[in-house]
Amino acid sequence: GENVEQHPSTLSVQEGDSAVIKCTYSDSASNYFPWYKQELGKGPQLIIDIRSNVGEKKDQRIAVTLNKTAKHFSLHITETQPEDSAVYFCAASMNTGFQKLVFGTGTRLLVSP
Amino acid sequence: NAGVMQNPRHLVRRRGQEARLRCSPMKGHSHVYWYRQLPEEGLKFMVYLQKENIIDESGMPKERFSAEFPKEGPSILRIQQVVRGDSAAYFCASSPSKSMNTEAFFGQGTRLTVV
Repeated sequence: GENVEQHPSTLSVQEGDSAVIKCTYSDSASNYFPWYKQELGKGPQLIIDIRSNVGEKKDQRIAVTLNKTAKHFSLHITETQPEDSAVYFCAASMNTGFQKLVFGTGTRLLVSP
Repeated sequence: NAGVMQNPRHLVRRRGQEARLRCSPMKGHSHVYWYRQLPEEGLKFMVYLQKENIIDESGMPKERFSAEFPKEGPSILRIQQVVRGDSAAYFCASSPSKSMNTEAFFGQGTRLTVV
């Protein structure tokens, strides 16, 4: 089955710096890659996603890149702010007919003012 | 439009008791997914249900765990004879269709503690 690895497990940056989180997946059949932000005591919230027919997607300060050949995808957050502090999860899903997500182990991002 | 509602938010059970976790999907959503999150880990898929049907339960332990999504009322995840290893956060997500072109929205989770 699919396996998703995520690095780093923790990331500390200064406000205004960029943050990059990387994930690799094992199953070349995976074709949907969402990123979730989870704040303490809350459920995961979708922040951006990318499909396998696209190499890059951007939404304001957040961007995601996908390299299908290498089977890895990354989340880029620019001009980080303290409210970006949270745990971020990448996930992958195959076209099984429904959203069966395989999650990475998470990255705890801390943005210091 | 209320989001996905899960209750209770926190549940404490003694070993051997039963735990019942409830999930009310967003209005208009007929697809429900349950995920389990162990401490310091990512979410693990458990089961996918549509109204009155279990579509995929490949992530559910074979024993003690069951799920339902009746025609009326919330989806229920039931854990019988709980053990300490069942302690985790259980998240429910719902979507209006099974398509990956539609977002699945997560609830705030039920944190189960088995003592």
